[in-house]
This record gives sequence, C-alpha cells and structure tokens, in this order.
Amino acid sequence: DVKVTQSSRYLVKRTGEKVFLECVQDMDHENMFWYRQDPGLGLRLIYFSYDVKMKEKGDIPEGYSVSREKKERFSLILESASTNQTSMYLCASSFPYGYTFGSGTRLTVV
Amino acid sequence: RKEVEQDPGPFNVPEGATVAFNCTYSNSASQSFFWYRQDCRKEPKLLMSVYSSGNEDGRFTAQLNRASQYISLLIRDSKLSDSATYLCVVNAASGTYKYIFGTGTRLKVLA
Repeated sequence: DVKVTQSSRYLVKRTGEKVFLECVQDMDHENMFWYRQDPGLGLRLIYFSYDVKMKEKGDIPEGYSVSREKKERFSLILESASTNQTSMYLCASSFPYGYTFGSGTRLTVV
Repeated sequence: RKEVEQDPGPFNVPEGATVAFNCTYSNSASQSFFWYRQDCRKEPKLLMSVYSSGNEDGRFTAQLNRASQYISLLIRDSKLSDSATYLCVVNAASGTYKYIFGTGTRLKVLA
C-alpha cells in the first residue's frame, strides 16, 4: 500500500511565524497535492506538483508556497502564518488516478 | 453553480436499509469520478472509482449519468460501520490530474 506521511499531526503556531508542513510518499508517485479542509467548505486545493521542481497553483494559493526538491517530498510553506490559516491540511499523492492521503496536520494559528 | 455539489445530509438510516446519494458536477469534460469515504477526524480514503458502465463492490454500487452530469452511490444493507461522510470527487477537466471534491454527504446508520 502507498504510504503518505505528514510530519506532524497537530501544530500550534503564532501569527507571523513561517510554518513548514512536510509530506513524504513512498511509492514513487509523480503527482502530489496539498489541500486544506474546513467545515462547510470541503477540501480546497492549495498547490500541486506533477514532478520534481514543478508546481502549479491550485484554487487558494495566496499566503502559501511549496517546494518539491525530491520526488518523494512535497513541502507546504506558510510564509507568515495568519489566524485564517487555521485548518486541517491534507497532503495526497497519485499515479495517475485516485489519491492516497496522509493523515493530516491540524494547524492552529494563535 | 458549484463545480461539484452534494446534499450535506445527514442521512439517518436504520441498519439494513438501502441508501443512495447523488452528486452533480458542472464540467461536461470531466472524465474521472470517484467516491471517497471520510471518518470523523480522519483522512479521506478511496471507496471506489465510478465507471461509465457502473460498477459494484459488495454492498456498494456506483453509477455515472453523463447526460445529466451526476454520479450516484448506493449502499445496500447498511451497517453501523458505514457511518461516515462520503465525498464525491471529479477531475477538473479531461486529461488533468487535478480533482475537485464535493463537501460531502454525512451518513449515520442507526442501530
């Protein structure tokens, strides 16, 4: 089975901090994705990547950036955390159809 | 109109009942369709793909209606363990690996 691992299950950060969320997959998948999930809004795509060093904006990229230096690792960066970025963050990988998700990082910005 | 729409529910059904959910999508060019299941405070997990000819996996049946742009999920003989949120997933356009998620339909199976 594909395993997608997110580095932290829960995080609490202060407003203005730079936050790194790490995601690693172990099945050599080319496609990786970052979503956030909020009640009533469902999953919304932040960024995705089709290959190493390639990235594309999703629907809500503002306030976020990503890095994919190695195929197995896709990092989400909150440049200056704000309270409206408090959310559940889900990483996923796919090849080519259907996602496998990590267990999520619940980020609280105070 | 939202790109993918689902009735949020909750659908409260007794054990053993048959329940069906629909999901409508707006992009006629979409080619890939899935149902995911999400338990409370857990990540979504793939339940089944939806094929043009329809497909069945045990008590679960998924169907696609391209003309009316909706997919459906039928659960027969509901179990308590089926209680979850069911997410409809559609690819954004033909040939893309970018997917759009519905907000989910919540199912509660009651003893």
